Amino acid sequence: DGGITQSPKYLFRKEGQNVTLSCEQNLNHDAMYWYRQDPGQGLRLIYYSQIVNDFQKGDIAEGYSVSREKKESFPLTVTSAQKNPTAFYLCASSIRGSDDQPQHFGDGTRLSIL
Amino acid sequence: KNEVEQSPQNLTAQEGEFITINCSYSVGISALHWLQQHPGGGIVSLFMLSSGKKKHGRLIATINIQEKHSSLHITASHPRDSAVYICAVKWYTGNQFYFGTGTSLTVIP
Repeated sequence: DGGITQSPKYLFRKEGQNVTLSCEQNLNHDAMYWYRQDPGQGLRLIYYSQIVNDFQKGDIAEGYSVSREKKESFPLTVTSAQKNPTAFYLCASSIRGSDDQPQHFGDGTRLSIL
Repeated sequence: KNEVEQSPQNLTAQEGEFITINCSYSVGISALHWLQQHPGGGIVSLFMLSSGKKKHGRLIATINIQEKHSSLHITASHPRDSAVYICAVKWYTGNQFYFGTGTSLTVIP
């Protein structure tokens, strides 16, 4: 079955530590996205990538970094510069450049501060 | 500023009831996406719309471009429909989706 796999499901970060969230897809989608979800708020875009070796900042990119070395993988690093990292993180993918194609989502990673 | 508004925020229904969830947005869009988020957090795509109406099983989604409004209807609701339903829009001028805060639905047996 094709889909998006996020790992780990739960992650804990110590002060001053960088952590990396994994996102892998086998849907052969060109575009991939990282969203952050906080209670009472809609999903907000952190970074997106429409093609390998290229990515763009979303609305809340500060304190995060990404890479896109392979089509199927789009890891997100939460750096120590992100002062409020506790949130639910969702990865998504879609066929690039098509408004009528939906985004497919992973099951998310819940990040907490120790 | 979040320009995608959903109503109601919370909804409780008896099993079998007809349910309507609303989504309003402020400017022209190229696409609207209805999503379902389960209690564990995973999100499933329900519909993508740019005009008219779509139906899948007991779910119906409609959009009125002139009114800048979309509705998601669930017929013969069931406890397994309990979830958060999220509306997302892509503006004509942009290439990303903007999400509403969701409607939390509980269907009681």
